[in-house]
Amino acid sequence: AQSVSQHNHHVILSEAASLELGCNYSYGGTVNLFWYVQYPGQHLQLLLKYFSGDPLVKGIKGFEAEFIKSKFSFNLRKPSVQWSDTAEYFCAVRDAGNMLTFGGGTRLMVKP
Amino acid sequence: DTAVSQTPKYLVTQMGNDKSIKCEQNLGHDTMYWYKQDSKKFLKIMFSYNNKELIINETVPNRFSPKSPDKAHLNLHINSLELGDSAVYFCASSQAKLYGYTFGSGTRLTVV
Repeated sequence: AQSVSQHNHHVILSEAASLELGCNYSYGGTVNLFWYVQYPGQHLQLLLKYFSGDPLVKGIKGFEAEFIKSKFSFNLRKPSVQWSDTAEYFCAVRDAGNMLTFGGGTRLMVKP
Repeated sequence: DTAVSQTPKYLVTQMGNDKSIKCEQNLGHDTMYWYKQDSKKFLKIMFSYNNKELIINETVPNRFSPKSPDKAHLNLHINSLELGDSAVYFCASSQAKLYGYTFGSGTRLTVV
């Protein structure tokens, strides 16, 4: 079975700091990769996705992620975070069976 | 128009009751899902359903049953509710493997 690991459970940053959240998955075949964000009390929203092509993916709100196939990783980055980025971030992987498996989430708190 | 809508948004009920949560999508997607998010924010797939196939996560108790009257609806029926069923339940939909998932706003179920 597919598994997705997010190693950082809680991250606290000051505004303007750079962000990198780790994500690793276990599936060895072709995958689609996603990052979702969940603001407090809200539903999941898609930040970015990787299906194929350029492994560096740009998403909304200044986020980007890099797919490194050899490392089974899809880390999320943002050069300068804002207070409004405070949220829970979920990495997710879809395998050939079209099932989306989520990582455990990373809670980001940005201090103003 | 909301793409994936769930009702109710909040549901408080007593142990032992039977309840249903409704989900409707107007995106024309062919597959719908139910996810459970526990108090630690962990997201777990419960069901995946299209008009041809129901995939059930084997860890889901058989008190939970999806019901799909048509392609645009996937309701979740829960029998004999237990305290441990308290969680946020998210409905989602996707179009085969072409795109990501679109999530509903969630239903917060509290069993007392």
